[in-house]
Amino acid sequence: GESVGLHLPTLSVQEGDNSIINCAYSNSASDYFIWYKQESGKGPQFIIDIRSNMDKRQGQRVTVLLNKTVKHLSLQIAATQPGDSAVYFCAENYGGSQGNLIFGKGTKLSVKP
Amino acid sequence: DSGVTQTPKHLITATGQRVTLRCSPRSGDLSVYWYQQSLDQGLQFLIQYYNGEERAKGNILERFSAQQFPDLHSELNLSSLELGDSALYFCASSRPTGGDTGELFFGEGSRLTVL
Repeated sequence: GESVGLHLPTLSVQEGDNSIINCAYSNSASDYFIWYKQESGKGPQFIIDIRSNMDKRQGQRVTVLLNKTVKHLSLQIAATQPGDSAVYFCAENYGGSQGNLIFGKGTKLSVKP
Repeated sequence: DSGVTQTPKHLITATGQRVTLRCSPRSGDLSVYWYQQSLDQGLQFLIQYYNGEERAKGNILERFSAQQFPDLHSELNLSSLELGDSALYFCASSRPTGGDTGELFFGEGSRLTVL
């Protein structure tokens, strides 16, 4: 069935390096994608979103890239900081209210000082 | 702080019992969403309410129900509980205007343990 998955369950990076978190989606009808960050003991927190008519969107220290040809989504975090340590989820929506999201399993990012 | 309040934070109960989880959305948000987060299923959308009316249903079991009250707070009722219902239950709300987006504001969750 349709699902959003992640290539890697864990990612460890050195403080100051750039991080890239990848996500594959299977539903070609998906037209809206979002990245969320979840810190331990907290609820998910919105990071950035992108619609299917775009292939790149930038935020503060984060960039989301969308490759519809291969159904791939990535989140790039520049100059990764210890505070970026968390689980990162990609999510997709392919109809209805855009708050009805299908989440991937998550990638745990650990930042080494 | 997301502005979304969930109670209780932790709940331990026995199989077969019924519990109610409560959510107060951010001030002014009309949409409330319930999500379940478990180790094996990840984050799953359960149900959405908008201004008191059910708007969308996801993977919500028939043993579960929800409602949104006139003051916009919402309750998720879980009945005939099974061990597999143990999970974190998140409530989220979204802004009412400016377009429909996936920017949800999540509460800190209610951790349910069924023994």
